[in-house]
Amino acid sequence: QSVLTQPPSVSGAPGQGVTISCTGSSSNIGAGYDVHWYQQLPGTAPKLLIYGNTNRPSGVPDRFSGSKSGTSASLAITGLQAEDEADYYCQCYDSSLSGSRVFGGGTKLTVL
Amino acid sequence: EAQLVESGGGLVQPGGSLRLSCAASGFTFNTFAMNWVRQAPGKGLEWISYITSISTTIFYADSVKGRFTISRDNAKNSLYLQMNSLRAEDTAVYYCAKRMSGPDAFDIWGQGTMVTVSS
Repeated sequence: QSVLTQPPSVSGAPGQGVTISCTGSSSNIGAGYDVHWYQQLPGTAPKLLIYGNTNRPSGVPDRFSGSKSGTSASLAITGLQAEDEADYYCQCYDSSLSGSRVFGGGTKLTVL
Repeated sequence: EAQLVESGGGLVQPGGSLRLSCAASGFTFNTFAMNWVRQAPGKGLEWISYITSISTTIFYADSVKGRFTISRDNAKNSLYLQMNSLRAEDTAVYYCAKRMSGPDAFDIWGQGTMVTVSS
């Protein structure tokens, strides 16, 4: 059971958009700590997708965007492409566990 | 180009020990905090340890506290994870990950090294 809660799966057709939620608590997202998102393509290492709630590293398409409100954060993907099919993870710092960084359980995105 | 390469994984019996290494290149290793993250087969990511740039502050997840030790050698641009008293539930791919300067995100990841704990 992860400290950050994500839906196990989402799906969308090519060209459509999807949103992945990440729900935390007052000791992590709600405490004001930044949320970061990672994309993990099958059989590969995770890749940083969004940092500091809303920022994209160089090279990440603007089809990917992040937001945060209260104790939750969201990753939005527009104009779905087949290569977006992957697992997505949110991550944050949690003050209730000394020094702990925590991940969401992950969301499998299927492009129909 | 910044790169991390893990090594040292393998098959070990329950109760055994293993030392993982992570070789860094393409960035100024001694100015960045580092982390270890693992992923059990078919499961999600689990953060397990953090070390600051000059080893002044170290944190562990409760799941490995007292059994695993993180360390680094800045002269060798290397990060280590000493794993003792290994259990079946420690079976996972282990990744080293570089912390960004500023945001507490992991911007560079290694390819991972597999650790299997089984008799």
